[in-house]
Amino acid sequence: EVQLVESGGDLVQPGGSLRLSCATSGFSFSGYSMNWVRQAPGKGLEWIAYISISTNTVYYAHSVEGRFTISRDNAKNSVHLQMNNLRVEDTAMYYCARVGGGATLDFWGQGTRVTVSS
Amino acid sequence: DIVLTQSPDSLALSLGERATINCMSSQGLLYNSNNQNYLGWYQQKPGQPPKLLISWASIRESGVPDRFSGSGSETYFTLTISSLQAEDVAVYYCQQYYTPPWTFGQGTKVEIK
Repeated sequence: EVQLVESGGDLVQPGGSLRLSCATSGFSFSGYSMNWVRQAPGKGLEWIAYISISTNTVYYAHSVEGRFTISRDNAKNSVHLQMNNLRVEDTAMYYCARVGGGATLDFWGQGTRVTVSS
Repeated sequence: DIVLTQSPDSLALSLGERATINCMSSQGLLYNSNNQNYLGWYQQKPGQPPKLLISWASIRESGVPDRFSGSGSETYFTLTISSLQAEDVAVYYCQQYYTPPWTFGQGTKVEIK
């Protein structure tokens, strides 16, 4: 069974940093690209970061570029999101999601909540 | 960036009725080299992560009921629920993966009247 479990969400002050992790199991992690998608309270989905199988290719949403860094550890079947210089508007549920054979996001974790507030 | 605009923002229908959700893209999502539209549809129920329903604009994921269907090409796409069931109450999103930054539509909330 494919599983993705996010962790690391917390309450943090503006300007602070957090590192989110997504532990995966049930599939050959090194063979799949991964993404982070977030959802602000009561709002829609916002894609924020992508990392390819080999880590050669990463993409970011404009809203997080230069502040967030996506990485992966194929030996530990995990993907991470380093978030620096956090803003109030980064408050959201953060989901990791796998890119499936259809190039869509075929499996999602339950999410980890990030709150940025003073 | 590609902008996806869904319509309507919400709809309320009776059980058994047909639900139609539209997704319009600011640019074409058809990749000519493989003749595929890079458009997916997701369902999100309250308190849950999104669930993938359809890839390539019209290919239903394994296990998704056949009352869900996707159609369209280039810039105009449709998700249809042929006979609305109580368990279909959710917010539905389209998403383009034609080019980064990948983007979602704003969502369409489906309720039972």
